[in-house]
Amino acid sequence: GEDVEQSLFLSVREGDSSVINCTYTDSSSTYLYWYKQEPGAGLQLLTYIFSNMDMKQDQRLTVLLNKKDKHLSLRIADTQTGDSAIYFCAESSTNQAGTALIFGKGTTLSVSS
Amino acid sequence: GAVVSQHPSWVICKSGTSVKIECRSLDFQATTMFWYRQFPKKSLMLMATSNEGSKATYEQGVEKDKFLINHASLTLSTLTVTSAHPEDSSFYICGVKIQETQYFGPGTRLLVL
Repeated sequence: GEDVEQSLFLSVREGDSSVINCTYTDSSSTYLYWYKQEPGAGLQLLTYIFSNMDMKQDQRLTVLLNKKDKHLSLRIADTQTGDSAIYFCAESSTNQAGTALIFGKGTTLSVSS
Repeated sequence: GAVVSQHPSWVICKSGTSVKIECRSLDFQATTMFWYRQFPKKSLMLMATSNEGSKATYEQGVEKDKFLINHASLTLSTLTVTSAHPEDSSFYICGVKIQETQYFGPGTRLLVL
C-alpha cells in the first residue's frame, strides 16, 4: 500500500537553511504536499507541487520533486525560530470514495537562536 | 486558502457518553470532507471520507457504528463518537477538499475519562 517516510527530527540554527526530506511510494500521486503543524493546532498548508513539476518556489520555501526516485524535499531558507514545528509530507491517494491524503509521520524542526 | 472551523476545540467526557464534533467550511462549499485522527507524536490517520448527501466511506479498521459521520450540507460535517471509551481519547482533525488541495480545521482534542 501507500507509504510516506520522513526523518523524525531536524535541528538547525537560526538563519541557516533547513531541508526536510520525504519519500513516497504511490507513483500515481498527482499532487504532493507540505503541511506545518504547531503544538496543539491543526495543519497549515504550506505548499504543494503537481507531479509533472520538479521544482516550485514560494518566498522562503523551495520544493524539489524527483519523481523517478519518489523523493520530495522542502527547503526553508533563512530559518527563523517561528519555523519550529512539525512538518508533514503528504501524497494524494485516490480510493473509491475520492482523493484523500496519506501523511508521513512528520519531521520535528527545532530552530535554535 | 479555505477557512475551516471545528467545534468544540476541547472536550472532556465520561466513559459511555457520546460526543459530537462539528467541522465547518466557512468560505467554500465542500462536497467532500475528511476525518482524521492523530495520536501523540504520530501521523494523521484517515478515518473516513464524507461526501455531501451520501453515506461516509470508512477506512479499514474504523467502526462506522462507533464513529457516526453526517455531511448534511456543503459546509458542515459532523463526527459523533458514540459510547466513548478512554481509548477514543485523541486529536480529531477534519479536512475540506477544495479542488486539488485539502485545508484542515484546528482540531478537536477529546479526553474520555
